[in-house]
Amino acid sequence: DSGVTQTPKHLITATGQRVTLRCSPRSGDLSVYWYQQSLDQGLQFLIQYYNGEERAKGNILERFSAQQFPDLHSELNLSSLELGDSALYFCASSVEYRRSEQFFGPGTRLTVL
Amino acid sequence: GENVEQHPSTLSVQEGDSAVIKCTYSDSASNYFPWYKQELGKGPQLIIDIRSNVGEKKDQRIAVTLNKTAKHFSLHITETQPEDSAVYFCAASHARTQGGSEKLVFGKGTKLTVNP
Repeated sequence: DSGVTQTPKHLITATGQRVTLRCSPRSGDLSVYWYQQSLDQGLQFLIQYYNGEERAKGNILERFSAQQFPDLHSELNLSSLELGDSALYFCASSVEYRRSEQFFGPGTRLTVL
Repeated sequence: GENVEQHPSTLSVQEGDSAVIKCTYSDSASNYFPWYKQELGKGPQLIIDIRSNVGEKKDQRIAVTLNKTAKHFSLHITETQPEDSAVYFCAASHARTQGGSEKLVFGKGTKLTVNP
Protein backbone atom coordinates (compact mmCIF):
# COMPACT_ATOMS: atom_id res chain seq x y z
CA ASP A 1 0.00 0.00 0.00
CA SER A 2 1.60 3.25 -1.21
CA GLY A 3 -0.54 5.50 1.00
CA VAL A 4 -2.07 7.21 -2.05
CA THR A 5 -5.82 6.68 -2.32
CA GLN A 6 -8.01 7.06 -5.38
CA THR A 7 -11.76 6.91 -5.80
CA PRO A 8 -13.71 5.48 -7.44
CA LYS A 9 -11.96 2.26 -8.39
CA HIS A 10 -14.15 1.74 -11.43
CA LEU A 11 -16.28 4.16 -13.42
CA ILE A 12 -18.54 3.32 -16.34
CA THR A 13 -20.18 6.13 -18.22
CA ALA A 14 -21.44 7.17 -21.65
CA THR A 15 -19.94 9.34 -24.34
CA GLY A 16 -20.51 13.04 -23.82
CA GLN A 17 -20.68 12.73 -20.04
CA ARG A 18 -18.48 14.32 -17.39
CA VAL A 19 -16.75 12.53 -14.51
CA THR A 20 -14.56 13.48 -11.57
CA LEU A 21 -11.73 11.33 -10.27
CA ARG A 22 -10.42 11.92 -6.79
CA CYS A 23 -6.96 11.45 -5.29
CA SER A 24 -5.61 11.82 -1.77
CA PRO A 25 -1.81 11.98 -1.60
CA ARG A 26 0.37 10.39 1.06
CA SER A 27 0.44 12.28 4.30
CA GLY A 28 2.92 15.14 4.00
CA ASP A 29 3.29 14.99 0.21
CA LEU A 30 2.74 18.33 -1.48
CA SER A 31 2.99 17.28 -5.13
CA VAL A 32 0.29 15.38 -6.99
CA TYR A 33 0.72 14.00 -10.49
CA TRP A 34 -1.92 12.54 -12.81
CA TYR A 35 -1.08 9.88 -15.39
CA GLN A 36 -3.16 8.08 -17.98
CA GLN A 37 -2.43 4.46 -18.87
CA SER A 38 -3.80 2.99 -22.09
CA LEU A 39 -2.77 -0.03 -24.12
CA ASP A 40 -1.61 1.98 -27.12
CA GLN A 41 -0.03 5.00 -25.37
CA GLY A 42 1.37 3.41 -22.23
CA LEU A 43 1.77 5.58 -19.13
CA GLN A 44 1.48 9.26 -20.04
CA PHE A 45 1.86 12.26 -17.77
CA LEU A 46 -1.14 14.57 -17.71
CA ILE A 47 -0.59 17.28 -15.11
CA GLN A 48 1.21 18.10 -11.84
CA TYR A 49 0.10 20.21 -8.90
CA TYR A 50 2.32 21.41 -6.11
CA ASN A 51 0.79 22.79 -2.93
CA GLY A 52 -2.34 23.90 -4.74
CA GLU A 53 -0.67 25.41 -7.79
CA GLU A 54 -0.37 23.91 -11.25
CA ARG A 55 3.29 23.03 -11.76
CA ALA A 56 3.49 21.27 -15.12
CA LYS A 57 1.27 20.13 -17.95
CA GLY A 58 1.76 17.17 -20.21
CA ASN A 59 -0.45 15.57 -22.82
CA ILE A 60 -3.67 16.71 -21.23
CA LEU A 61 -6.64 17.39 -23.46
CA GLU A 62 -8.52 20.68 -23.18
CA ARG A 63 -11.59 18.66 -22.16
CA PHE A 64 -9.67 17.57 -19.05
CA SER A 65 -8.90 19.76 -16.06
CA ALA A 66 -7.61 19.27 -12.56
CA GLN A 67 -7.19 21.08 -9.30
CA GLN A 68 -5.56 20.59 -5.92
CA PHE A 69 -7.43 21.73 -2.86
CA PRO A 70 -6.12 23.30 0.38
CA ASP A 71 -6.18 19.89 2.09
CA LEU A 72 -3.94 18.71 -0.81
CA HIS A 73 -6.36 16.22 -2.30
CA SER A 74 -6.75 16.53 -6.04
CA GLU A 75 -9.52 16.01 -8.55
CA LEU A 76 -9.25 15.27 -12.25
CA ASN A 77 -12.29 16.33 -14.26
CA LEU A 78 -12.95 14.71 -17.61
CA SER A 79 -15.72 16.17 -19.77
CA SER A 80 -17.34 15.50 -23.16
CA LEU A 81 -16.06 11.98 -22.82
CA GLU A 82 -15.15 9.97 -25.90
CA LEU A 83 -14.62 6.24 -26.35
CA GLY A 84 -10.89 6.86 -26.58
CA ASP A 85 -10.81 8.28 -23.05
CA SER A 86 -11.32 4.78 -21.67
CA ALA A 87 -8.15 4.07 -19.71
CA LEU A 88 -6.64 3.69 -16.27
CA TYR A 89 -6.02 6.99 -14.53
CA PHE A 90 -3.35 7.05 -11.85
CA CYS A 91 -2.50 9.64 -9.29
CA ALA A 92 0.98 9.80 -7.77
CA SER A 93 2.40 11.94 -5.01
CA SER A 94 5.85 12.96 -3.88
CA VAL A 95 7.61 14.74 -1.04
CA GLU A 96 8.73 18.28 -1.73
CA TYR A 97 12.33 18.73 -0.81
CA ARG A 98 15.29 16.82 -2.27
CA ARG A 99 13.22 13.72 -2.86
CA SER A 100 12.19 12.47 -6.27
CA GLU A 101 10.20 9.32 -5.59
CA GLN A 102 6.66 9.27 -6.91
CA PHE A 103 4.26 6.86 -5.24
CA PHE A 104 1.26 5.72 -7.22
CA GLY A 105 -2.28 5.06 -6.13
CA PRO A 106 -4.31 2.01 -7.21
CA GLY A 107 -5.90 3.87 -10.11
CA THR A 108 -9.39 4.49 -11.46
CA ARG A 109 -10.49 2.40 -14.42
CA LEU A 110 -12.69 4.54 -16.66
CA THR A 111 -14.85 2.86 -19.28
CA VAL A 112 -16.71 5.06 -21.74
CA LEU A 113 -19.49 3.28 -23.61
CA GLY B 1 11.36 16.25 -24.99
CA GLU B 2 12.50 13.09 -23.27
CA ASN B 3 11.96 9.74 -24.96
CA VAL B 4 12.49 6.41 -23.19
CA GLU B 5 12.88 3.15 -25.07
CA GLN B 6 12.55 -0.16 -23.22
CA HIS B 7 13.51 -3.69 -24.29
CA PRO B 8 12.43 -6.41 -24.43
CA SER B 9 8.66 -6.04 -24.41
CA THR B 10 8.25 -9.59 -23.10
CA LEU B 11 10.68 -11.78 -21.18
CA SER B 12 10.20 -15.34 -20.02
CA VAL B 13 12.69 -16.98 -17.65
CA GLN B 14 12.89 -20.09 -15.50
CA GLU B 15 12.67 -19.73 -11.76
CA GLY B 16 16.12 -19.09 -10.35
CA ASP B 17 17.48 -17.53 -13.54
CA SER B 18 18.38 -13.86 -13.90
CA ALA B 19 16.36 -11.30 -15.84
CA VAL B 20 17.69 -8.13 -17.44
CA ILE B 21 15.61 -5.27 -18.81
CA LYS B 22 17.24 -2.39 -20.66
CA CYS B 23 16.20 1.21 -21.25
CA THR B 24 17.66 4.13 -23.15
CA TYR B 25 16.81 7.80 -22.74
CA SER B 26 17.34 10.78 -24.98
CA ASP B 27 17.52 13.87 -22.73
CA SER B 28 20.93 14.36 -21.13
CA ALA B 29 19.28 16.62 -18.51
CA SER B 30 17.44 13.63 -17.01
CA ASN B 31 19.02 12.72 -13.69
CA TYR B 32 16.58 10.40 -11.95
CA PHE B 33 15.72 6.90 -13.16
CA PRO B 34 13.14 4.83 -11.26
CA TRP B 35 11.86 1.35 -11.99
CA TYR B 36 8.29 0.34 -11.29
CA LYS B 37 6.62 -3.04 -11.00
CA GLN B 38 2.95 -3.26 -11.93
CA GLU B 39 0.90 -6.30 -11.06
CA LEU B 40 -2.45 -6.96 -12.66
CA GLY B 41 -5.12 -4.60 -11.38
CA LYS B 42 -2.70 -2.53 -9.31
CA GLY B 43 -0.86 0.74 -9.59
CA PRO B 44 2.86 0.93 -10.41
CA GLN B 45 5.03 0.16 -7.38
CA LEU B 46 8.45 1.79 -7.06
CA ILE B 47 11.01 -0.98 -6.62
CA ILE B 48 14.36 0.76 -7.08
CA ASP B 49 15.72 4.01 -8.43
CA ILE B 50 19.07 5.54 -9.32
CA ARG B 51 20.34 9.05 -9.68
CA SER B 52 22.82 10.25 -12.26
CA ASN B 53 25.65 10.67 -9.75
CA VAL B 54 25.65 6.90 -9.10
CA GLY B 55 26.59 4.09 -11.48
CA GLU B 56 25.00 1.14 -9.72
CA LYS B 57 22.58 0.45 -6.90
CA LYS B 58 21.54 -2.85 -5.33
CA ASP B 59 18.67 -3.90 -3.12
CA GLN B 60 18.72 -7.61 -2.31
CA ARG B 61 17.95 -9.44 -5.58
CA ILE B 62 17.43 -6.26 -7.59
CA ALA B 63 20.10 -4.02 -9.06
CA VAL B 64 20.09 -1.09 -11.43
CA THR B 65 23.02 0.17 -13.48
CA LEU B 66 23.37 3.51 -15.25
CA ASN B 67 25.66 4.53 -18.08
CA LYS B 68 25.29 8.29 -18.48
CA THR B 69 27.59 8.48 -21.47
CA ALA B 70 25.57 5.98 -23.44
CA LYS B 71 22.29 7.19 -21.91
CA HIS B 72 21.12 3.76 -20.89
CA PHE B 73 20.16 2.04 -17.68
CA SER B 74 19.24 -1.53 -16.85
CA LEU B 75 17.33 -3.52 -14.26
CA HIS B 76 18.80 -6.81 -13.11
CA ILE B 77 16.79 -9.33 -11.12
CA THR B 78 18.69 -12.35 -9.82
CA GLU B 79 17.31 -15.64 -8.52
CA THR B 80 13.92 -14.90 -10.02
CA GLN B 81 10.79 -16.20 -8.31
CA PRO B 82 7.24 -16.69 -9.67
CA GLU B 83 6.11 -13.66 -7.64
CA ASP B 84 8.47 -11.52 -9.71
CA SER B 85 6.08 -12.04 -12.65
CA ALA B 86 4.64 -8.62 -13.53
CA VAL B 87 5.06 -5.73 -15.95
CA TYR B 88 8.15 -3.63 -15.26
CA PHE B 89 8.47 -0.01 -16.35
CA CYS B 90 11.54 2.14 -16.50
CA ALA B 91 11.21 5.91 -16.36
CA ALA B 92 13.33 9.03 -16.59
CA SER B 93 12.88 12.39 -14.94
CA HIS B 94 14.62 15.56 -13.96
CA ALA B 95 14.68 15.86 -10.20
CA ARG B 96 14.76 19.33 -8.74
CA THR B 97 16.24 20.23 -5.38
CA GLN B 98 12.87 21.68 -4.40
CA GLY B 99 9.38 20.93 -5.58
CA GLY B 100 9.85 17.22 -6.10
CA SER B 101 10.61 15.73 -9.45
CA GLU B 102 9.28 16.69 -12.82
CA LYS B 103 7.06 14.37 -14.80
CA LEU B 104 8.13 10.79 -15.26
CA VAL B 105 8.56 9.68 -18.87
CA PHE B 106 7.96 5.95 -19.01
CA GLY B 107 9.13 3.18 -21.26
CA LYS B 108 6.48 0.95 -22.80
CA GLY B 109 6.98 -1.80 -20.24
CA THR B 110 8.33 -5.36 -20.11
CA LYS B 111 6.07 -8.25 -19.24
CA LEU B 112 8.20 -10.63 -17.19
CA THR B 113 7.03 -14.20 -16.71
CA VAL B 114 8.90 -16.44 -14.30
CA ASN B 115 8.10 -20.09 -14.93
CA PRO B 116 8.22 -22.45 -11.91
